[in-house]
Amino acid sequence: NAGVTQTPKFRVLKTGQSMTLLCAQDMNHEYMYWYRQDPGMGLRLIHYSVGEGTTAKGEVPDGYNVSRLKKQNFLLGLESAAPSQTSVYFCASSFATSTEQYFGPGTRLTVT
Amino acid sequence: GENVEQHPSTLSVQEGDSAVIKCTYSDSASNYFPWYKQELGKRPQLIIDIRSNVGEKKDQRIAVTLNKTAKHFSLHITETQPEDSAVYFCAASRGGSEKLVFGKGTKLTVNP
Repeated sequence: NAGVTQTPKFRVLKTGQSMTLLCAQDMNHEYMYWYRQDPGMGLRLIHYSVGEGTTAKGEVPDGYNVSRLKKQNFLLGLESAAPSQTSVYFCASSFATSTEQYFGPGTRLTVT
Repeated sequence: GENVEQHPSTLSVQEGDSAVIKCTYSDSASNYFPWYKQELGKRPQLIIDIRSNVGEKKDQRIAVTLNKTAKHFSLHITETQPEDSAVYFCAASRGGSEKLVFGKGTKLTVNP
C-alpha cells in the first residue's frame, strides 16, 4: 500500500496564478483533510471531507476550494494564489475522526 | 469550538532525562486525544493516543495521562534519546463528525 500520496512535492507560483494539489489514499478511508503548516502555527485545517461527494470548511478556508469526486482522491485548489498562501500543505486521511490520521509527505508551495 | 493550548513551545533536555509536554482543551465533550511526532522535513505520525474512558496509557518509553476534570493531558517521554528530537503535536476531538483540533506544537531537542 502506498498510503497517502500528494502531488506535486514542490511548486512555485506567481501571485494570481492558480493550481490544484492532488491527494490520493488507498486505505479506503472515508475522511480526508487538508492542512497547512506554518512556523509556530501548528497544523491548521483548511477543508475536510467526511465521504465521497462531501466537503466542509475548516479553520482557514478562505482562498481555497476542494472537491471529493472519488473516495480515494481529495483535491485542493487555489484560484488566485497570494503570498500569504506560501506554506507546506499536508493531506491526511482517516477511518473516522477519532482514529489515526495518516498524513501524506507534504507539498511545499511558494507564492512570489 | 474546541481550542487546544500546548506548552512549552520549545523544550531542551539532556539524553537520558525525561520530557513532559502539556496540553489543555476547552470542550468538555472531547473524548479522543492523540499525540503526533513530526521529524524535520517529514510528515506527522501518530505515536500514542488516549480516549476519555482511560486515565493513563503507556507504550514503552512514552506515556500519556488525561485529567478530564481539569481538561488537560500530558505526554511523558522517559530515558530520552537523540532520535526523540522532533516537533510533537497534541490534539483533541469529540468524535462523530467533529474535526480534530491540534495544538501549535512543541519542539523537543535531546542533547547527547
